[in-house]
Amino acid sequence: GAVVSQHPSRVICKSGTSVKIECRSLDFQATTMFWYRQFPKQSLMLMATSNEGSKATYEQGVEKDKFLINHASLTLSTLTVTSAHPEDSSFYICSAGTGTSGGRETQYFGPGTRLLVL
Amino acid sequence: DAKTTQPNSMESNEEEPVHLPCNHSTISGTDYIHWYRQLPSQGPEYVIHGLTSNVNNRMASLAIAEDRKSSTLILHRATLRDAAVYYCIPYNYGQNFVFGPGTRLSVLP
Repeated sequence: GAVVSQHPSRVICKSGTSVKIECRSLDFQATTMFWYRQFPKQSLMLMATSNEGSKATYEQGVEKDKFLINHASLTLSTLTVTSAHPEDSSFYICSAGTGTSGGRETQYFGPGTRLLVL
Repeated sequence: DAKTTQPNSMESNEEEPVHLPCNHSTISGTDYIHWYRQLPSQGPEYVIHGLTSNVNNRMASLAIAEDRKSSTLILHRATLRDAAVYYCIPYNYGQNFVFGPGTRLSVLP
């Protein structure tokens, strides 16, 4: 099946710094990529949807100026957590789809990035 | 988005079949039923999906009720590696994948 990678797999940073997470579709072109975060013992919560070449669509309650998303190519989307604080510590997961199969579309998920803000 | 109801947790013995139920009574006529699973500290993994007919693949089988208001994911022989949280997600293109709490499956040796 298709492969989605994320980098880094885990990152520790100081409060106030910015962290960039990359999501790549390795063997297919992803017209749409999704970003989720998951707090311990909770389910995945959708943060935003990004389409290649256009602005991301953010879910209610997600600050677009804090979580900057760039989907510059059909194989790469980045999430930048700006001025990170301890409450931003979470497991961030991206997913990608080809956008060609309607409801049959399978989403391919990355392995996740664990962010710890000290 | 259709609402789903799944048991919080289930237990199975190794090498026995497991039936994971999901109620999705508000599903629309064109929504596909997707199942994903998430192993500890990993991203979700696709398991199977279907629309109306029962489906089989190398990982599992999906039995869909005739009225489509419920479905059951069947693992024919559970292994320790099948211990995960299983999510059923009604989905159609243009919607978002909405993850509910899922069912945490424990497999006992």
